[in-house]
Amino acid sequence: DAGITQSPRYKITETGRQVTLMCHQTWSHSYMFWYRQDLGHGLRLIYYSAAADITDKGEVPDGYVVSRSKTENFPLTLESATRSQTSVYFCASSFGGGIDEQFFGPGTRLTVL
Amino acid sequence: AQTVTQSQPEMSVQEAETVTLSCTYDTSESDYYLFWYKQPPSRQMILVIRQEAYKQQNATENRFSVNFQKAAKSFSLKISDSQLGDAAMYFCAYRSPNYGGSQGNLIFGKGTKLSVKP
Repeated sequence: DAGITQSPRYKITETGRQVTLMCHQTWSHSYMFWYRQDLGHGLRLIYYSAAADITDKGEVPDGYVVSRSKTENFPLTLESATRSQTSVYFCASSFGGGIDEQFFGPGTRLTVL
Repeated sequence: AQTVTQSQPEMSVQEAETVTLSCTYDTSESDYYLFWYKQPPSRQMILVIRQEAYKQQNATENRFSVNFQKAAKSFSLKISDSQLGDAAMYFCAYRSPNYGGSQGNLIFGKGTKLSVKP
């Protein structure tokens, strides 16, 4: 299906485990983003990517790793999950910046026990 | 750094009435872009309306319109003829121009939860 998808939609893990959240878009958008949403904070940028093999940190990157070997995929890895990383994670993509719409995936609710 | 403030954590409106959600932002840039996103209980983020700072004319999309006051750094959203389906969290967002290292990410406010009463 066309669009932007995330998997899994729900994930429960334990402290210290590695977790990878997947993001896939079918539009060949150059820009991709990872945000986390926490109550009282809105959405905050974790990492972003302007193109394949180009990534950079956002506002809250600590504890996360990203890669982008292909334009359509932008996985987010929590190397050693902590309880503070319990959140809803959104992947987004856009063709460009400026006024271009940023399209969001459905989100992944991650719980770290 | 740019910041976005939504001063109303919750708002309520009667069905068919009009409601205005407030948003202010802080920036030293003269060129930028502003957005309103809607997040219903399904959690999906949906673009409602967008505005380019260099355009003086306020953007409109059907029942949704904005009041953009550049000097006051204000970007409020007006919803006319409110419908039950408008009940959602609404986020105001700011985006810098795509130059100088910025990659065009959105800076969000904390959101306003809108309830619609039948």
